[in-house]
Amino acid sequence: DIQMTQSPSSLSASVGDRVTITCRASQSVTVYLNWYQQSPGQAPKLLIYGASTLQSGVPPRFSGSGSGTDFTLNISSLHPEDFATYYCQQSYGTPRTFGQGTKLEI
Amino acid sequence: QVQLQQWGAGLLKPSETLSLTCGVYGGSFSGYYWSWIRQPPGKGLEWIGKIDPSGNTRYNPSLKSRLTISEDPSNNQFSLKLNSVTAADTAVYYCAREREHYSDISGYSYYFYYLDVWGKGTTVTVSS
Repeated sequence: DIQMTQSPSSLSASVGDRVTITCRASQSVTVYLNWYQQSPGQAPKLLIYGASTLQSGVPPRFSGSGSGTDFTLNISSLHPEDFATYYCQQSYGTPRTFGQGTKLEI
Repeated sequence: QVQLQQWGAGLLKPSETLSLTCGVYGGSFSGYYWSWIRQPPGKGLEWIGKIDPSGNTRYNPSLKSRLTISEDPSNNQFSLKLNSVTAADTAVYYCAREREHYSDISGYSYYFYYLDVWGKGTTVTVSS
């Protein structure tokens, strides 16, 4: 299985801050990397697919980059609703695997 | 706008069979990969498996011996059965749609796969 490791596991920030979350794969997944946002008590929501393509309806303050084994999710200016947990997921192979999550806290 | 509605028993005893169904409403059933994901309390997401447009299944090896994912296209539904449950199977179970998306980027062909529609989740507790 491809192991996905996110850092940090938790992150404290303020409204208006820029934050970066990283995700590393145990082997190359080329650009088959997705990012999801999960608010408490809610199902995950797709933010980015293909490492850098913004899902329809997702605000442009979210951006993704990377290829191979190293990826980043950037949020340019935090809004109150962005405080949630973020997961990366590889879709290079099965089983699909997720990172352990990064909890973004105020 | 497509929505997924899921249902099934929420409280099981050890050794029983977990059975969940997910209905697809407001959109096409064909042409997508229908998936199950679970989340133990306070933990991260675990991919369970999926069924593809041809009815072929792919399972997480850690669950494969106990797992069956099936579909009923005539009713726009797909289902999960997990045998011989234990407390370790206690989790919120999500159904989701995995979409295959073709892109041509700088002359290279990519088939991206992502979970773009999710059900609300069903809490399943295994306890004696």
